[in-house]
Amino acid sequence: NAGVTQTPKFQVLKTGQSMTLQCAQDMNHNSMYWYRQDPGMGLRLIYYSASEGTTDKGEVPNGYNVSRLNKREFSLRLESAAPSQTSVYFCASTLQGGPSGANVLTFGAGSRLTVL
Amino acid sequence: GQSLEQPSEVTAVEGAIVQINCTYQTSGFYGLSWYQQHDGGAPTFLSYNALDGLEETGRFSSFLSRSDSYGYLLLQELQMKDSASYFCAPGRGDDKIIFGKGTRLHILP
Repeated sequence: NAGVTQTPKFQVLKTGQSMTLQCAQDMNHNSMYWYRQDPGMGLRLIYYSASEGTTDKGEVPNGYNVSRLNKREFSLRLESAAPSQTSVYFCASTLQGGPSGANVLTFGAGSRLTVL
Repeated sequence: GQSLEQPSEVTAVEGAIVQINCTYQTSGFYGLSWYQQHDGGAPTFLSYNALDGLEETGRFSSFLSRSDSYGYLLLQELQMKDSASYFCAPGRGDDKIIFGKGTRLHILP
């Protein structure tokens, strides 16, 4: 199983450019998440989708948009990139309401984005 | 709202035992998860406590006290490969999963 696949792994943008980070999971999970991680800041939730057709804001949603295209795919879009969005982005998914009730998030390998 | 507190760094000696604490305030709480992240890698799930008490998984154990809004991760027989960052994450009924800033564990030989 591939688990959670993110593309691209690396990207360099100029200020004002746009781009979309893609995320797909093959575990039949219902919930998907986008986090960003900056040095010393831990993981901060950008947006999440509890089920197909729904999306909700996390802790730091400004400057981002998301699309839950179907159950497998959850994309993150930067419409006009800014240097403050330089970060490592992680997509994750989980089966909410599983038998143990645990939030066992499976993470993608990460996407390192640099905005010049 | 939600708040999470973890120590930013902990240092221990190889072979020793170390405890990483987590205090939380969150609505709709139903359990506490722990994740490990090595430098340059993605976080991976370690353990989960739905009920008060200690859960043991090999060298790692996790504890939860709902009445104190407190949990900890206990790592025994520390190995150099345990050098990593450790994050706690409360589970909530609205599916919103927020992480603490993490605790960086340094292990000395």
